[in-house]
Amino acid sequence: GQQLNQSPQSMFIQEGEDVSMNCTSSSIFNTWLWYKQDPGEGPVLLIALYKAGELTSNGRLTAQFGITRKDSFLNISASIPSDVGIYFCAGQAQGAQKLVFGQGTRLTINP
Amino acid sequence: NAGVTQTPKFQVLKTGQSMTLQCAQDMNHNSMYWYRQDPGMGLRLIYYSASEGTTDKGEVPNGYNVSRLNKREFSLRLESAAPSQTSVYFCATRQRLMNTEAFFGQGTRLTVV
Repeated sequence: GQQLNQSPQSMFIQEGEDVSMNCTSSSIFNTWLWYKQDPGEGPVLLIALYKAGELTSNGRLTAQFGITRKDSFLNISASIPSDVGIYFCAGQAQGAQKLVFGQGTRLTINP
Repeated sequence: NAGVTQTPKFQVLKTGQSMTLQCAQDMNHNSMYWYRQDPGMGLRLIYYSASEGTTDKGEVPNGYNVSRLNKREFSLRLESAAPSQTSVYFCATRQRLMNTEAFFGQGTRLTVV
């Protein structure tokens, strides 16, 4: 089946630093979604992208739909302790009925 | 407005026992999904229902059955639980199959001993 490659798998940063993570696919996608999951909770939608080149912000979070339609990135600026968690990308290929998910990026912040 | 509600939140089963995980949504969405989440493996699709009255297999359907009871409810049944089915199960909904966001429930943590 289709796969997403999400990197990095984990990040250890200092509070206040900026964070960048990305996802790549082997297929052309027409939807990219970014989620955050806190321990013991379900994934919560952060940003949805539907057009190639689209750049969308949600507070300190910014995500972009890659122009090739095979990648997307998520940036977090000026990280704070509550940013800790696992971040997932999800995408849907052209013509596909299902979303596929990346393996997740675990973010840890040292105060 | 509860969104997506899953019951139970926790369950321990003995090998061979059966159980049904319940999912209900009040978002008036057409499509509903069941995923399992295992450490290091992300979210894997078990079954989905594009709309009321239809169900289809996902990536890992073996050992599971589903019922789309009505537009609001989508249940996942384990007929004979196995230790390999120990996982966290998530229900999700989307307005339609494409070009829409997915919204998740809080999850059901299932342990099979």
